[in-house]
Amino acid sequence: AQSVTQLDSHVSVSEGTPVLLRCNYSSSYSPSLFWYVQHPNKGLQLLLKYTSAATLVKGINGFEAEFKKSETSFHLTKPSAHMSDAAEYFCVVSDPRGYQKVTFGTGTKLQVIP
Amino acid sequence: EAQVTQNPRYLITVTGKKLTVTCSQNMNHEYMSWYRQDPGLGLRQIYYSMNVEVTDKGDVPEGYKVSRKEKRNFPLILESPSPNQTSLYFCASSPLAGRSYEQYFGPGTRLTVT
Repeated sequence: AQSVTQLDSHVSVSEGTPVLLRCNYSSSYSPSLFWYVQHPNKGLQLLLKYTSAATLVKGINGFEAEFKKSETSFHLTKPSAHMSDAAEYFCVVSDPRGYQKVTFGTGTKLQVIP
Repeated sequence: EAQVTQNPRYLITVTGKKLTVTCSQNMNHEYMSWYRQDPGLGLRQIYYSMNVEVTDKGDVPEGYKVSRKEKRNFPLILESPSPNQTSLYFCASSPLAGRSYEQYFGPGTRLTVT
């Protein structure tokens, strides 16, 4: 069984300040983890993924995430928010042994204040 | 251009009238999946397919059918739609390769059942 919890449904930051979007997962195996972004009225785009290589993963647009097995976390960060980062972000867990089911978190809406 | 296409993009229908939402990918991906997105619930997996003629239930399969007769197509069928199936639907595909389970999403289909 697997699950994912996004700890904040909404996050608000000022432009130029750091972004932290929190994600905790539960899995009985070593999972694959992803962050996707969805801009308003758009589809989903992959930001970054963890697949058991380096625990610090760098993605597009300056985002990165760190896999912490001891804390079962995969938090998404960015040093400096930009207005274009305003979107909804989804943390996703999947079973690397085979495709099986894919589980999405409930999403975090990021607001960037000018 | 590599892409996942869905049709129609918008659909308003009445309770009980059978409908099909088509999904097609041009990337020769083995894996395809359907999700529904509802506010506050994130994306929930309806059905997935690991190859032609191989399909399995996701977390919310009730009221839906799928088929995978060709590798590129994965239609979603609602035999007797009900208002609780009003939602935003996404199709996605992924290659069956190692641990890279990145999914490529279609643009979405907004369905309203009255």
